[in-house]
Amino acid sequence: DAMVIQNPRYQVTQFGKPVTLSCSQTLNHNVMYWYQQKSSQAPKLLFHYYDKDFNNEADTPDNFQSRRPNTSFCFLDIRSPGLGDAAMYLCATSRLDPGDTQYFGPGTRLTVL
Amino acid sequence: AQSVAQPEDQVNVAEGNPLTVKCTYSVSGNPYLFWYVQYPNRGLQFLLKYITGDNLVKGSYGFEAEFNKSQTSFHLKKPSALVSDSALYFCAVRDINTGFQKLVFGTGTRLLVSP
Repeated sequence: DAMVIQNPRYQVTQFGKPVTLSCSQTLNHNVMYWYQQKSSQAPKLLFHYYDKDFNNEADTPDNFQSRRPNTSFCFLDIRSPGLGDAAMYLCATSRLDPGDTQYFGPGTRLTVL
Repeated sequence: AQSVAQPEDQVNVAEGNPLTVKCTYSVSGNPYLFWYVQYPNRGLQFLLKYITGDNLVKGSYGFEAEFNKSQTSFHLKKPSALVSDSALYFCAVRDINTGFQKLVFGTGTRLLVSP
């Protein structure tokens, strides 16, 4: 089945130790998104890619970076995780039409020790 | 700016009873409205959307939503709740005023269905 896959599902890292989260999709969508979600709050958009065009939200900390080497894969890099970065990280994909649905992956739960 | 409001943090309903999860919206132009459900430690699952056409939208798992333009509402409904429907529900609107048209989420409503 076409889907959005995130690896790993659970990630534990140490304070200040860089970590990379992975997302892949088989939907061939040209837009990929990264969200941060804390404590059952609404997901907060960090950034998105439209094809290779990267778009950062104004309030996304510099500590968060992303790479999209091809249509199928997108990575979230947290350069120096702090305790406040512990959260669920959600990847999503869509086409660009406003009526198109965003499809989400299962998420990666990040713990920072 | 486009926005949605979910006035209830939590909704409690007995199994077998009808359920409603409320959502109101504020948009300029045509609304593109979505409902998602989230189970613990899972991503968001798409339930249904309103783009245009019939005001009653049918979605996954027996859910439906009614688009009401005069009341600017898009309430999620199900005729008979199941215990397995217990989850966190998000209403969202596509913000067509940004060049990118990002999804703007409500604060979420936790649905608890008791046996």
